[in-house]
Amino acid sequence: KNQVEQSPQSLIILEGKNCTLQCNYTVSPFSNLRWYKQDTGRGPVSLTIMTFSENTKSNGRYTATLDADTKQSSLHITASQLSDSASYICVVNNAGNMLTFGGGTRLMVKP
Amino acid sequence: DVKVTQSSRYLVKRTGEKVFLECVQDMDHENMFWYRQDPGLGLRLIYFSYDVKMKEKGDIPEGYSVSREKKERFSLILESASTNQTSMYLCASQGANTGELFFGEGSRLTVL
Repeated sequence: KNQVEQSPQSLIILEGKNCTLQCNYTVSPFSNLRWYKQDTGRGPVSLTIMTFSENTKSNGRYTATLDADTKQSSLHITASQLSDSASYICVVNNAGNMLTFGGGTRLMVKP
Repeated sequence: DVKVTQSSRYLVKRTGEKVFLECVQDMDHENMFWYRQDPGLGLRLIYFSYDVKMKEKGDIPEGYSVSREKKERFSLILESASTNQTSMYLCASQGANTGELFFGEGSRLTVL
């Protein structure tokens, strides 16, 4: 069964600190993995996409990694800001274009 | 920029009422989706459509139906709303080349 597990479920950090969110998946065959950011009361927005051949990709203060062998991805946020407070959702796409969603990590950045 | 517009941000309905949630996208995407999002359960797929007049059941289609009469519009219908359908509903369209989902702002439905 295709599954995407995210950890932690919730995370509180102080403004300016770094953090790392985890995504483990069992989706097969793998096509790509996306990280979405969802602000409270809004729809999710894509942050980055990782394909099989990519190990790391950055989008500003966000850096995503992918280890296709262990089926793990991480999203690292550097120098967090209050506006980073949101839910972060990992979505894995299989070769048949079926999407499997993780449950999300709720990040709260405190001043 | 891609725009996915959901007709209502907030709705309050009574048990048994018929509810229409409308979604319009302006990028000529063929694939469109309806999800509901509940605390602790994440996003769950209700229905999706890959072409006009085509629809496929997702993971939780019971109690819902959909309509795709035009390519840009995908409607979610609750024939007889129940309290357990109180939720945030998210519509998305999908680009064929990248597979990226573009979400609307969501419709928060409360059924009393």
